[in-house]
Amino acid sequence: EAGVAQSPRYKIIEKRQSVAFWCNPISGHATLYWYQQILGQGPKLLIQFQNNGVVDDSQLPKDRFSAERLKGVDSTLKIQPAKLEDSAVYLCASSLGWVNTEAFFGQGTRLTVV
Amino acid sequence: GESVGLHLPTLSVQEGDNSIINCAYSNSASDYFIWYKQESGKGPQFIIDIRSNMDKRQGQRVTVLLNKTVKHLSLQIAATQPGDSAVYFCAENMKAAGNKLTFGGGTRVLVKP
Repeated sequence: EAGVAQSPRYKIIEKRQSVAFWCNPISGHATLYWYQQILGQGPKLLIQFQNNGVVDDSQLPKDRFSAERLKGVDSTLKIQPAKLEDSAVYLCASSLGWVNTEAFFGQGTRLTVV
Repeated sequence: GESVGLHLPTLSVQEGDNSIINCAYSNSASDYFIWYKQESGKGPQFIIDIRSNMDKRQGQRVTVLLNKTVKHLSLQIAATQPGDSAVYFCAENMKAAGNKLTFGGGTRVLVKP
């Protein structure tokens, strides 16, 4: 079974630039999560989708971050404009949803803002 | 708001010894508690979970204990191996919140040969 795919693997941008991350969850997984993991900390939930609807985006900085999952499968997370403090690993995870709670994570995208 | 809390210590353990990692949580409404292992450069990997109506669950070389009275969760790793070196996170899942998955801060385990 293929895992959660994320791209790019690494990204370096200057502050005030924009960046987008892509996630392809495991086939059939209804729930998709985006997490931000700052070095030395646990992952922080940014946004959670159930199919193509948003379940929770309470910790998403909506003035600069946006995410979509238009067809209930792939998802993109965008930052515009980026700040130095956005440097982190952005993790995507998916789970079957209501039946099974086990979430599977991708390898993440390491973003460095300079 | 309520969150899973986990201090960020580093646990050094001799190969072959048992490891115990602890976690305190504050949200009594959580349905599941999960332990994840994260190796350098990788995403978290599911180890074991436990329902809120259980107090113990065993897996292969791992045991999770849940004490709801004091809101405490622990992960025991038997006969720790070099491959167990990683950062371990506890997380809580709330079905009522759409399976919202909230992580604590992590513990680094270093296995000494």
